[in-house]
Amino acid sequence: DVKVTQSSRYLVKRTGEKVFLECVQDMDHENMFWYRQDPGLGLRLIYFSYDVKMKEKGDIPEGYSVSREKKERFSLILESASTNQTSMYLCASKGGSSGANVLTFGAGSRLTVL
Amino acid sequence: RKEVEQDPGPFNVPEGATVAFNCTYSNSASQSFFWYRQDCRKEPKLLMSVYSSGNEDGRFTAQLNRASQYISLLIRDSKLSDSATYLCVVAPSHGSGNTGKLIFGQGTTLQVKP
Repeated sequence: DVKVTQSSRYLVKRTGEKVFLECVQDMDHENMFWYRQDPGLGLRLIYFSYDVKMKEKGDIPEGYSVSREKKERFSLILESASTNQTSMYLCASKGGSSGANVLTFGAGSRLTVL
Repeated sequence: RKEVEQDPGPFNVPEGATVAFNCTYSNSASQSFFWYRQDCRKEPKLLMSVYSSGNEDGRFTAQLNRASQYISLLIRDSKLSDSATYLCVVAPSHGSGNTGKLIFGQGTTLQVKP
């Protein structure tokens, strides 16, 4: 089974701090995604990457950046955290031709910005 | 108008009941359709893909109506363990389907009562 691991399950940060959320997948998937999930709004795509060093903006990229230096790792960066970035962050990956559109999610990182 | 719309519920049903959820999508060129299940405080997981001819997996039946642009999920003989949020997911047309984002509905919450 594909495993997507998000290293931090719960984080509490202060406004203005820089925040790194790490995500690692172990199945050599090309595509990786960062979503945030908020009550009443569902999952919203922040950024995605279809290859190493490649990235594309999703629906809500403002205030975020990403890094994909290795195929297995996709990092989400909040340069200066704000209270409206308090949310559940979900990383996902999907692979090649078999089940091409099936996403596998990590367990999520719940971020609170004070 | 949201790209993918679902009634958030909650749907409260007794054990053994049959329950159906609908989901509408706005992009007529959408190619792939899925239902994901998300338990409370957990990540979404694929429940089933939705095929043009309709498909069944045990107590679960998924159907697609392209003309009216909606998909449905029917759960027969509901179990307590079916209590979860069910997310409708639509993939736009992106050629190979190996890149590009999936669009998530807000989710429909089901609570099965004893």
